[in-house]
Amino acid sequence: QVRLQESGPGLVKPSQTLSLTCKVSGVSISDNEYYWTWIRQLPGKGLQWIGYISHRGSNYYNPSLQGRLDISRDSAKNRFFLSLSSVTAADTALYFCARDRRPYHVQVDVWGKGTMVIVSS
Amino acid sequence: QSVLTQPPSVSGTPGQRVTISCSGSYSNIGTNGVNWYQQLPGTAPKLLIYSDNQRPSGVSNRFSGSRSGTSASLAISGLQSEDEADYYCASWDDDLHGLFGGGTYLTVL
Repeated sequence: QVRLQESGPGLVKPSQTLSLTCKVSGVSISDNEYYWTWIRQLPGKGLQWIGYISHRGSNYYNPSLQGRLDISRDSAKNRFFLSLSSVTAADTALYFCARDRRPYHVQVDVWGKGTMVIVSS
Repeated sequence: QSVLTQPPSVSGTPGQRVTISCSGSYSNIGTNGVNWYQQLPGTAPKLLIYSDNQRPSGVSNRFSGSRSGTSASLAISGLQSEDEADYYCASWDDDLHGLFGGGTYLTVL
């Protein structure tokens, strides 16, 4: 059974960097079928696609976050990461890590439970 | 404001059929198709429909999807109380990024 689990600080100060980890079990993130994705949900609002890293290590990012965003991975530990710099209150959200099963389609078939991040001084 | 436009809310009575629309553009829905997600309160979203009209294993055949041009629709027939949830459409944009619609809350009256 494939499982994804987010972890990271629940509180980040404005202008600092938000860093989250997604631990994957049940499948290797190096498998050539999947795309490891971050999605967030702003409070009381809808979903926002953040970006993903492919099995080959290629990245695709939301243009509205590009410049502040980095998604990386540690294949040996079967984890991938989100780093979002210069955060503001607008980055307060529930962050999900997830598995997209098909490139260029947003077909996310496995989700973590999500981790809430609040940006506040 | 989302690039993919959905109505904020729809409602129906048990047993009824409801539809949720999703409007985009040529560079996303028009080219790359649509997927739909259901998000029950307090849970992560669940893939409900993929590639416009395909159901993952385990999803009820009461849910169906369609696409025409730059718009798509999700239909739910035989409405049940447990269908009350948020529904999101999603697509890929030719600018090489993913998109979600703003979401539609379905109320079962």
